[in-house]
Amino acid sequence: QKEVEQNSGPLSVPEGAIASLNCTYSDRVSQSFFWYRQYSGKSPELIMSIYSNGDKEDGRFTAQLNKASQYVSLLIRDSQPSDSATYLCAVNGNDYKLSFGAGTTVTVRA
Amino acid sequence: EPEVTQTPSHQVTQMGQEVILRCVPISNHLYFYWYRQILGQKVEFLVSFYNNEISEKSEIFDDQFSVERPDGSNFTLKIRSTKLEDSAMYFCASTYGTPNTEAFFGQGTRLTVV
Repeated sequence: QKEVEQNSGPLSVPEGAIASLNCTYSDRVSQSFFWYRQYSGKSPELIMSIYSNGDKEDGRFTAQLNKASQYVSLLIRDSQPSDSATYLCAVNGNDYKLSFGAGTTVTVRA
Repeated sequence: EPEVTQTPSHQVTQMGQEVILRCVPISNHLYFYWYRQILGQKVEFLVSFYNNEISEKSEIFDDQFSVERPDGSNFTLKIRSTKLEDSAMYFCASTYGTPNTEAFFGQGTRLTVV
């Protein structure tokens, strides 16, 4: 059973601050890593994908991957109230599915 | 922007009834998936589908579930005899390439079994 664990949260940050989200995974053969944002009652929305070790930046989002430590993170810079949501870490282990973490709920305080 | 569309957005059904959830994946995508999310829980994989056959299915996807691509655009999930515990959000997703590429999700169907 592949496990994906996320810091449980909830995480509350002031507007303009950095939100840091962490995720660890159990399956060493995992190849692809994704961060999804999910607003309450809505579907997961892809915000970042990362496939190789290191950092990947897209606007205010930075994903970091360390396969040796089986760790992937997401930084949200200059957090905005619209970033308030649950962030899901998802991992593909070179098979036909994504394994999701339970999510970390972020609240950005205005 | 291309998107995955699902119908209906909300379905209420009586226990024991059959339901069909419908999805139109992104048009040039090749792999299709169903996931579900019980309220307050993780998103769980149900089944993946490629080239008109199931690629992988989870333990949840038992004999009461089936999937079909009846034509060139639709992808359906059928639950034959619904149970109370089938109440959940059901998400359809698709990927262009292999399953380790980016998956895009539809807006979901909220299934309520009473």
